[in-house]
Amino acid sequence: NAGVMQNPRHLVRRRGQEARLRCSPMKGHSHVYWYRQLPEEGLKFMVYLQKENIIDESGMPKERFSAEFPKEGPSILRIQQVVRGDSAAYFCASSRNGGRINEKLFFGSGTQLSVL
Amino acid sequence: KNEVEQSPQNLTAQEGEFITINCSYSVGISALHWLQQHPGGGIVSLFMLSSGKKKHGRLIATINIQEKHSSLHITASHPRDSAVYICAVSAETSGSRLTFGEGTQLTVNP
Repeated sequence: NAGVMQNPRHLVRRRGQEARLRCSPMKGHSHVYWYRQLPEEGLKFMVYLQKENIIDESGMPKERFSAEFPKEGPSILRIQQVVRGDSAAYFCASSRNGGRINEKLFFGSGTQLSVL
Repeated sequence: KNEVEQSPQNLTAQEGEFITINCSYSVGISALHWLQQHPGGGIVSLFMLSSGKKKHGRLIATINIQEKHSSLHITASHPRDSAVYICAVSAETSGSRLTFGEGTQLTVNP
């Protein structure tokens, strides 16, 4: 049973380009969370998705960032027109039952985004 | 003031020492998580607890709900325990969404 898979592991973009980060949750998990870790800072919640639905996007910047979790395929975190301040490690986590049922989260290895 | 605060921020120990990392939080929670982040960046969930104490190998996690405090202990520490240890909470009002502490950088020297 493969763990949470994120790709790419490293992504380099120039300012103004688009970045697409992918997350495949563990088998049987339908809840996905995206977190961002800026340099020298702690992890911060971005968005929580359940298949085809955004449940909580209160941590997402209002512009340029979007996330989806289609019925088929991985969850995608999309950053349009990247700026240097977007350089960070982006982590995805998944769980089988989200919402108010607390359970262990499984994390991916993260995508390190570097904006030149 | 952060909702989740950890201490110490950095900790250096000699191999074999007993280590304690502390976490205090200011919100009502449904669960508290201890995570380990390796130098390569990957994150592993060590414990999730809402009361009492849990033990796994040389790691012990305790929580005091009344005092809003948790501790992570490592017995007989080893250089391979060197990592960042992160405390995170699921607030009562936010389901499984986590709020994180800043992390504790642990270095265990041989």
